[in-house]
Amino acid sequence: GAVVSQHPSWVICKSGTSVKIECRSLDFQATTMFWYRQFPKQSLMLMATSNEGSKATYEQGVEKDKFLINHASLTLSTLTVTSAHPEDSSFYICSARATRFEAFFGQGTRLTVV
Amino acid sequence: EDKVVQSPLSLVVHEGDTVTLNCSYEVTNFRSLLWYKQEKKAPTFLFMLTSSGIEKKSGRLSSILDKKELFSILNITATQTGDSAVYLCAVLGGNYGQNFVFGPGTRLSVLP
Repeated sequence: GAVVSQHPSWVICKSGTSVKIECRSLDFQATTMFWYRQFPKQSLMLMATSNEGSKATYEQGVEKDKFLINHASLTLSTLTVTSAHPEDSSFYICSARATRFEAFFGQGTRLTVV
Repeated sequence: EDKVVQSPLSLVVHEGDTVTLNCSYEVTNFRSLLWYKQEKKAPTFLFMLTSSGIEKKSGRLSSILDKKELFSILNITATQTGDSAVYLCAVLGGNYGQNFVFGPGTRLSVLP
């Protein structure tokens, strides 16, 4: 399958700081990327859909000013968690749509806010 | 509202057993159904199904889709402890066929 690289795989930050997570499609161009959040033992929760060159579409209840998404190119999308708080601690996963029918996931980023 | 339902939610078997995981869906503008395996990190891709009745196979895993009855099954034969994971079913569809709708997952535990 196609390769999606997510970086960093884990990060610890202080409350009030911002954290940027990168999602790259390595061997294909992805016009659409998805950002998910996953709580322990729960399924993936879609946060937003990111389309290259346009604003991200956020799911209901997701604060777009807090979770800034930038899809700067066909191979890169970034998620910035601004003014992070302990309740933002979670596992964040991106996926990139490789064809009309399938998507592949990055490795995920475990964020811990202290 | 688009939804994907998986059953069972949890399953415990012994090595060598065969398991069948179920996924049913109600999703508008269906494009494809995908199965993923999630261990401790992000999900890894298993299968993508778009046509009814055509079995996809990879080693001990196989999957098939029934678009008339709106479900898919994932079979694992001769299970091994390394098969222990959460198996996620996702359907691509929704508005403009752009949205992935995930099921809650089936947590499979294979005991030695």
